[in-house]
Amino acid sequence: QVQLVESGGGVVQPGRSLRLSCAASGFTFSTYGMHWVRQAPGKGLEWVGVISYDESNKYYADSVKGRFTISRDNSKDTLYLQMNSLRAEDTAVYYCAKTRITGTSTFPIGGWGQGTLVTVSS
Amino acid sequence: QSVLTQSPSASATPGQRVTISCSGSSSNIGSNYVYWYQQLPGTAPKLLIYTNNQRPSGVPDRFSGSKSGTSASLAISGLRSEDEADYYCAAWDDSLSGWVFGGGTKVTVL
Repeated sequence: QVQLVESGGGVVQPGRSLRLSCAASGFTFSTYGMHWVRQAPGKGLEWVGVISYDESNKYYADSVKGRFTISRDNSKDTLYLQMNSLRAEDTAVYYCAKTRITGTSTFPIGGWGQGTLVTVSS
Repeated sequence: QSVLTQSPSASATPGQRVTISCSGSSSNIGSNYVYWYQQLPGTAPKLLIYTNNQRPSGVPDRFSGSKSGTSASLAISGLRSEDEADYYCAAWDDSLSGWVFGGGTKVTVL
């Protein structure tokens, strides 16, 4: 079955960088678009960004554009989120999620990982 | 402030029906499919409804979705205690070129 396992979360100071990883299994990773979605403590879901199966298309939320970068390594079935210039308001649980189907330009969100907590604090 | 608008809470007694609404605009719900996600306490979200009204395998038929114009709704019939959770609507937004979520509706089983 589909499994998504995030890692790399932790406590980081404001202004510093952190890279999250998401290891995928149970499906053909190289054919699916992948998302990052975050949830601040006690708050709702906020979409962060999406990457197409071949990295040809990437879209980001305005709140992270220019600071966060999504990439993937299809040879390792792994998704990444590089987060730079971190702010206190980036504190959240970060989930990776796979698109429900392939071959779509709107990347519908299907299965989710369990999330990894990022805390930005001095 | 979420792009999609949901009422923050809803409640009903076991066996009753509860309906959650989600309001958007022409650039999101009005021109794209709506998805619903269920988040049980302390867990990751789970896909509940896709393409407005379709249920993934394993989701009980007590859950149903609909869409009309720039609004959508999720109905839970025969409410059970295990349905107590947060529910989020979502859609692709053509103007933003990204996904937008509702603020979430907390369903309480009285």
